[in-house]
Amino acid sequence: NAGVMQNPRHLVRRRGQEARLRCSPMKGHSHVYWYRQLPEEGLKFMVYLQKENIIDESGMPKERFSAEFPKEGPSILRIQQVVRGDSAAYFCASSPPRTPPTNEKLFFGSGTQLSVL
Amino acid sequence: AQKITQTQPGMFVQEKEAVTLDCTYDTSDPSYGLFWYKQPSSGEMIFLIYQGSYDQQNATEGRYSLNFQKARKSANLVISASQLGDSAMYFCAMPTGANSKLTFGKGITLSVRP
Repeated sequence: NAGVMQNPRHLVRRRGQEARLRCSPMKGHSHVYWYRQLPEEGLKFMVYLQKENIIDESGMPKERFSAEFPKEGPSILRIQQVVRGDSAAYFCASSPPRTPPTNEKLFFGSGTQLSVL
Repeated sequence: AQKITQTQPGMFVQEKEAVTLDCTYDTSDPSYGLFWYKQPSSGEMIFLIYQGSYDQQNATEGRYSLNFQKARKSANLVISASQLGDSAMYFCAMPTGANSKLTFGKGITLSVRP
C-alpha cells in the first residue's frame, strides 16, 4: 500500500513563473492537507481539502496561491508568479474519511522542496 | 488558539543513553491530543507517538514514550536507548479546531554521538 506520494521532490523556478505541486493521498484517503515549512521552522497549515471541496483555507496566502483536489487525480497546490519568499518545503498529508473529524494521525508525504531563483 | 512551544537548543546524547525532548502547549479545549513527529535529514515527516488528554496512561511506542503532565501543560518525548538513526529534527504538534489541522512547534534538533 503506497504512502502519500508527492512530486516533484525538488522544483526550481525563476521569479514570476508558476509552480505546480502534486499530491496523491494514500489509497482510501479522501482528506488532504497542505503545509509549508520555512527553514528552521515547524510546518504551517495552509489548506484542507476533500474531494472537489476546499474545507479550510485559512492558512493560504490571499494572492497567487490556490489548491484543488479533483474527483479524479492528485491534489494540486499552485503558486503563480513565484517570488523568492515562496522558497520552502511543501508537505502534503492525508487521512481517511471520518465523521466527525477525530484526532487521527496524518500521513505525510516526503515533501516538495521549492527553490525560487 | 493552540500554541506549541519547543525552546530547547540543539540536543546531544550519547548512543544508548536516554534523552528527553521538551514540549509545552497552551489550549482552551477541554479535550485535545498531542503528536510527535520525526524529520530526518531526508525531509519526510514520520509519526512517532500520540497522546490524548483523557488517556489514563502515558503513551508508549517501542523506544518512544510520552511524559504527559496536564497540570504543567507539558508533553515531553522520551527516547530510550538512543541510536545513531535517531539524529533528526523532532516536532511536537496539536490538532486545532474541528478539522484536525495541526499546529507545530519549531522543533528540536537531536544529535546522537557514537
